[in-house]
Amino acid sequence: DARVTQTPRDKVTEMGQEVTMRCQPILGHNTVFWYRQTMMQGLELLAYFRNRAPLDDSGMPKDRFSAEMPDATLATLKIQPSEPRDSAVYFCASGSHPGLAGAMSYNEQFFGPGTRLTVL
Amino acid sequence: AQSVAQPEDQVNVAEGNPLTVKCTYSVSGNPYLFWYVQYPNRGLQFLLKYITGDNLVKGSYGFEAEFNKSQTSFHLKKPSALVSDSALYFCAVRDRDTGRRALTFGSGTRLQVQP
Repeated sequence: DARVTQTPRDKVTEMGQEVTMRCQPILGHNTVFWYRQTMMQGLELLAYFRNRAPLDDSGMPKDRFSAEMPDATLATLKIQPSEPRDSAVYFCASGSHPGLAGAMSYNEQFFGPGTRLTVL
Repeated sequence: AQSVAQPEDQVNVAEGNPLTVKCTYSVSGNPYLFWYVQYPNRGLQFLLKYITGDNLVKGSYGFEAEFNKSQTSFHLKKPSALVSDSALYFCAVRDRDTGRRALTFGSGTRLQVQP
């Protein structure tokens, strides 16, 4: 049963510390997404990659957030330095997408269980 | 730009009754439309999608959704609600005619099914 995995599941840290969240997409999926979920803002897209290349990170605060895919089996999201307003659940999702405008198919995204981040 | 509106924060329904969770969308081209469900402390799970073809789409757990282009809607429905359907439901859209954009999700609707 193929699943997206995320580590850690829970993270509590102090303001100013670096936080790294990891995601293992489903094998064979070529697109990886990072989302943030909060009560106030709902589900926000932070960044996404296709074939390991960043396509859109406009939703991410560039001064403190960075997202990378060092290889096809690992995506990372880093926050440095972390702030209390970064407290949220961070979801990774993966999918298999053709990336072509007008494509007659678009496959669903599969979500990981999330990382609950608390910054004190 | 693409956007989704879920006008109801919460929907309450009695077990056994039909349920509807509303969703309207806005895209410049043609839409791909999705419904996801989120249970407490879990990630989102895919329920169903509309890509093209029949306007009535059937999905997991007895859910279905009807694509209505003239009303730009994609309401989620189920003929008979179960208590276990209680969860947070998200509608999502992507413009089919732009190749780069990811899904845009609505704000979510909490479904509460009472025994």
